[in-house]
Order: sequence, then C-alpha cells, then structure tokens
Amino acid sequence: GESVGLHLPTLSVQEGDNSIINCAYSNSASDYFIWYKQESGKGPQFIIDIRSNMDKRQGQRVTVLLNKTVKHLSLQIAATQPGDSAVYFCAENISPGGSYIPTFGRGTSLIVHP
Amino acid sequence: DTGVSQNPRHKITKRGQNVTFRCDPISEHNRLYWYRQTLGQGPEFLTYFQNEAQLEKSRLLSDRFSAERPKGSFSTLEIQRTEQGDSAMYLCASSIDTASGNTIYFGEGSWLTVV
Repeated sequence: GESVGLHLPTLSVQEGDNSIINCAYSNSASDYFIWYKQESGKGPQFIIDIRSNMDKRQGQRVTVLLNKTVKHLSLQIAATQPGDSAVYFCAENISPGGSYIPTFGRGTSLIVHP
Repeated sequence: DTGVSQNPRHKITKRGQNVTFRCDPISEHNRLYWYRQTLGQGPEFLTYFQNEAQLEKSRLLSDRFSAERPKGSFSTLEIQRTEQGDSAMYLCASSIDTASGNTIYFGEGSWLTVV
C-alpha cells in the first residue's frame, strides 16, 4: 500500500503470485520508457523497455504495458520469486535532439514472501 | 568488459574536503551519465556526456560539482568543499546508440558520506 515520508510505496505478494507495479509518468512528449530493478546497495538494473509507438512488450517473466492516453505504465512479473524482491523504478525519456536522459520516479518496493 | 565500473565504492569525508569519483563505462559506449540518489528516492540526473562533450547539466549540479570526460572514455565527478547535504550515492551509467534503442546501464554506485 501507499506510505508517506521516506517510505516507498510497497507491494507485498506471495511467492508464485503475479505482481503488477504501476507508474504514472508526467510528460506526454516522453517517447521511451524503461523499467529498472534496484536491490539494496546496488545500482539500478535494466529490466525491459518500451517505445511510445508500442502498447505492450514482453520479456522473460515480465510484461510492460503502456497507456499513453492516461500516461500510465505497468510492469507485470509472472510467478514472482523471492529474488524479485527489490525496488522497481520506471523511467521516462524525453529525447530532444536524440539526448536520451531517463527521468526516474520514486519507485515501488516489492516484497515477496516465501 | 563486464559493465560500468565505479570507484571508490564508499567514501567518508569531512565537511569542506574535496572528493573525486571515477567511472569507467562499458567499452565503446559513447554516452555517459551521472546521477545522484538519496535514500527513498529515485536517481536524479546530474549531467551527461556524448563522447568528450558535456551536453546537459542539471540545475542540481552546483558550482561545487564538476564532471569531466577528457578522452571520451572514463569520467570523473569532483565535489569541492563538500557539505553534509552531498551525502548520497553517485551513480554512473553508459549507453550506445543503436537503431533499436538506447539501453542505459548503471554501475554499482559510489556512496558518499560527509561528516
């Protein structure tokens, strides 16, 4: 659920369940979106990306959905495993002149219970 | 090459001292980014290089911060006269343009604690 202050929004799931992490982005001109996973003490790790001319893209156990009408992005993780526990960030790219500069949101903490 | 390399991984410094972080990007990646991340927040963009040219700087990058990429390969981020508010993780990332996209890969970060 949602929390205030320094606490990140948190999603708690049971191992084996499907997880859906949501993200609202801010700029209708954004044309490229990336999901990152960040484990404690480590840098963000690329998961999957999607361009604005697509509304769905699938990877291994992950699916990203893009709804440009409401500026919403979601990451679906199938059969969630304890190793999926991490903070997940969506990043939007506005690329004036080809400069891809990802802008990150606050992130969602995913906790997977065995 | 196994990824973006940053060092030192951890630095504790006294307020007022200067610190420098180094980033070695993935080989042949022409773009290099610096971000800062504090607890509970997403990474915040600081600056970006294409080859040796610094093309974008955030307003977060005060006069005390300077970044260089002299030969278009490794980069350094220097913070002068550190303040306690500079305590954060400094992340470097790199990418290369391809026809299919521009995947950006991050290093493990350099943690700075200013005491």
